[in-house]
Amino acid sequence: GAVVSQHPSRVICKSGTSVKIECRSLDFQATTMFWYRQFPKKSLMLMATSNEGSKATYEQGVEKDKFLINHASLTLSTLTVTSAHPEDSSFYICSARTDRGREQYFGPGTRLTVT
Amino acid sequence: AQKVTQAQTEISVVEKEDVTLDCVYETRDTTYYLFWYKQPPSGELVFLIRRNSFDEQNEISGRYSWNFQKSTSSFNFTITASQVVDSAVYFCALSEAEYGGATNKLIFGTGTLLAVQP
Repeated sequence: GAVVSQHPSRVICKSGTSVKIECRSLDFQATTMFWYRQFPKKSLMLMATSNEGSKATYEQGVEKDKFLINHASLTLSTLTVTSAHPEDSSFYICSARTDRGREQYFGPGTRLTVT
Repeated sequence: AQKVTQAQTEISVVEKEDVTLDCVYETRDTTYYLFWYKQPPSGELVFLIRRNSFDEQNEISGRYSWNFQKSTSSFNFTITASQVVDSAVYFCALSEAEYGGATNKLIFGTGTLLAVQP
């Protein structure tokens, strides 16, 4: 099956710094990628939808200036958490699909801890 | 608006028991997809099944089976003869179908924590 990787798997950063999370489709071209956030013992909530070559579409309540999403190639999307604060600590998961794909492939997730 | 409800927050069973996880969804779309995912403690989502709204056939895969009923907007998941390795959080999810049949963003339920005791 298709594989999606995320890097890093875990990151600890200090409050006020920025963190970049990468989501890569390893063996297929991902025209669309989705970024989700999951707080401890909670469900996954969509943050934004990212289409290759265009601006991301953010869900209501998600600050686009704080969570910068770039999808510059068909195999890579990045999520940058700018000026991170402890309340941004969460599990971030991406998923990817091909153009008109019925299947979404999830990455293994990135656990962010902001101290 | 789309919504997925998993009323069971936690379920505890003893090994070899059968267990059913409930999922009720709401959507105004006529074409949509339903999913089940397993999330073990490691956090990675494990895909279990995708079901198209036009396909109401029940499905069985080993010890897993799914009952899709559009009349009650439910997509329940049954594990037969549960095992300790089945312990995880299980999520039901809904996605509208885009033009061409592609899945869109997933709307997840709140998840059911299944604990299988030896």
